Amino acid sequence: DIVMTQSPLPLPVSPGEPASISCRSSQSLLHRNAYNFLDWYLQKPGQSPQLLIYLGSHRASGVPDRFSGSGSGTDFTLKISRVEAEDVGVYYCMQALQTPYTFGQGTKLEIK
Amino acid sequence: QVQLVESGGALVKPGGSLRLSCAASGFIFSDYYMSWIRQAPGKGLEWVSHISSSGTTTYYADSVKGRFTISRDNGKNSLNLQMNSLRAEDTAVYYCARVRGSGSSLYGVDVWGQGTTVTVSS
Repeated sequence: DIVMTQSPLPLPVSPGEPASISCRSSQSLLHRNAYNFLDWYLQKPGQSPQLLIYLGSHRASGVPDRFSGSGSGTDFTLKISRVEAEDVGVYYCMQALQTPYTFGQGTKLEIK
Repeated sequence: QVQLVESGGALVKPGGSLRLSCAASGFIFSDYYMSWIRQAPGKGLEWVSHISSSGTTTYYADSVKGRFTISRDNGKNSLNLQMNSLRAEDTAVYYCARVRGSGSSLYGVDVWGQGTTVTVSS
């Protein structure tokens, strides 16, 4: 199975400041079609997860442009350019290159 | 609007059975792969199963293989998960979810239901 490792796990951030979450996979997520099969999700408190980024760097519909995804192979990063109060929750990366699809442990973003 | 509504969650004894259902609306259900993803209390996310748009191809996590069966009715825009021989470790919120892509190239779970709670306890 592909193991997904996120860091940091708790992420305290002041409003207006940038934030960055790292996700590393135990195997390359680069498909032969040249896309990285890596998604990012946010689970706000008491809610279902929501898709933020798919295929490594593609922002999902309705996601603010302060969110961006980058990386390739085994190293990926989710960046929030300026954190807002509504961004609190747990962020998960997920690989969909091969079954079983696996998630990272989750990074809890909280406002300082 | 695009919506997934799960039902069927309950308290069940170990060894028991349960059938979860998911009603889809607001999109062409037969165009999409669908999945069940679960979250144990206070834990992270686990991909449980998915089914192709036509229903001919299915996948199960090792943890549920042989006990759970995923199915869909494209005429009724519904997704189901038959859960047998339930164990305490199956206790979780189960999310019905829409998946983008097809075949071996699935990406982006772009629509999630609100979840239904399954508790396995004596």
